[in-house]
Amino acid sequence: KNQVEQSPQSLIILEGKNCTLQCNYTVSPFSNLRWYKQDTGRGPVSLTIMTFSENTKSNGRYTATLDADTKQSSLHITASQLSDSASYICVVSAGNTGFQKLVFGTGTRLLVSP
Amino acid sequence: GAVVSQHPSWVICKSGTSVKIECRSLDFQATTMFWYRQFPKQSLMLMATSNEGSKATYEQGVEKDKFLINHASLTLSTLTVTSAHPEDSSFYICSANGGQRTYEQYFGPGTRLTVT
Repeated sequence: KNQVEQSPQSLIILEGKNCTLQCNYTVSPFSNLRWYKQDTGRGPVSLTIMTFSENTKSNGRYTATLDADTKQSSLHITASQLSDSASYICVVSAGNTGFQKLVFGTGTRLLVSP
Repeated sequence: GAVVSQHPSWVICKSGTSVKIECRSLDFQATTMFWYRQFPKQSLMLMATSNEGSKATYEQGVEKDKFLINHASLTLSTLTVTSAHPEDSSFYICSANGGQRTYEQYFGPGTRLTVT
């Protein structure tokens, strides 16, 4: 069964600090892995997308890593800001070519406090 | 680029009535559109996949007669919740495949439905 698990479920950090969110997956066939940021009451916004051959990708203060051998990914947030408070969702795309089905993790709720 | 809009952003309706939610790709043609439902503190759950001009494919457990999906053009898909009940209250999000990166899914901002 295709699954994506994220940890921690929730996290509180002080503004300016760094944090790392984890994602483990069992999805086959693997196509790509995405990290989304979802603000409360809003749709998800893409942060990074990585294919099998990529092991790191950055988007500003967000850096995602992918270990396709251990089927793990992480999202590192540097110098957190209050606006980083949101849910972060790890999504793995399953499929070979054409239509790909997204498998969603349950998300990590991050709260950045002043 | 690759903007997806939804209308309305929130709606309140009475039990037993129907409500239509629109999803539009504003600056690209969407070959495929998806409809998701999200309950509080839970992740997105795929309801159905629709391709322009053809019938939607519903996920297991989703009633196709209750959640009517129409994908009449490459930029518009609609979800109609028929005979809504309070348990249909949820956050409905659409996404669209297309644009320059055809493998990418671009999400709309969501529609909050409350059935009283």
